[in-house]
Amino acid sequence: DGGITQSPKYLFRKEGQNVTLSCEQNLNHDAMYWYRQDPGQGLRLIYYSQIVNDFQKGDIAEGYSVSREKKESFPLTVTSAQKNPTAFYLCASSIKFGGGNNQPQHFGDGTRLSIL
Amino acid sequence: QQQVKQSPQSLIVQKGGISIINCAYENTAFDYFPWYQQFPGKGPALLIAIRPDVSEKKEGRFTISFNKSAKQFSLHIMDSQPGDSATYFCAASSPLGNNQGGKLIFGQGTELSVKP
Repeated sequence: DGGITQSPKYLFRKEGQNVTLSCEQNLNHDAMYWYRQDPGQGLRLIYYSQIVNDFQKGDIAEGYSVSREKKESFPLTVTSAQKNPTAFYLCASSIKFGGGNNQPQHFGDGTRLSIL
Repeated sequence: QQQVKQSPQSLIVQKGGISIINCAYENTAFDYFPWYQQFPGKGPALLIAIRPDVSEKKEGRFTISFNKSAKQFSLHIMDSQPGDSATYFCAASSPLGNNQGGKLIFGQGTELSVKP
């Protein structure tokens, strides 16, 4: 059963703490993405990776970091530098980056991060 | 110029009615316009998508209407059902090689509620 698995579903962060959100896909997709969703603001791109061992900053990368050491995994770390981390975080993947309608983005079911 | 503006923010429709959600854009390089459906606590799922070389695309009860000259596109849900209650996002992307090419730019989202 192919898809994208995000874990955990809920996560709490203490002040000054870094937390890591997991994203795993078994779709054999080259491209992976991280989005942040806030009420009334749509989805904003944090980081994306076109291929393993490569990643680029999106529109709101400050306070976040990623790695892409394996094709199927694209973890996101929310660092203590991100002062407003409370949001719903979504991971997505596509066969290739920028493939358009032949290669749509598929999303996981998200991780909700809150501040303690 | 990279924005996609979506309206209304929320919509209430009676069962059996037509739901209409509108999006407008400025970047004439956009060439792919998908709509995503998101249920609470879940990730968005691709609903239907269109390219600017056609003015309308229909899949079941869902239709995209596209007006290239007005730089607007809309989602029509015919015979709306309570199970259609969800948040809908429009998006757009431009080809690789363009400024921000390959990235999906999302609208702000519309929360649809279909009353029985």
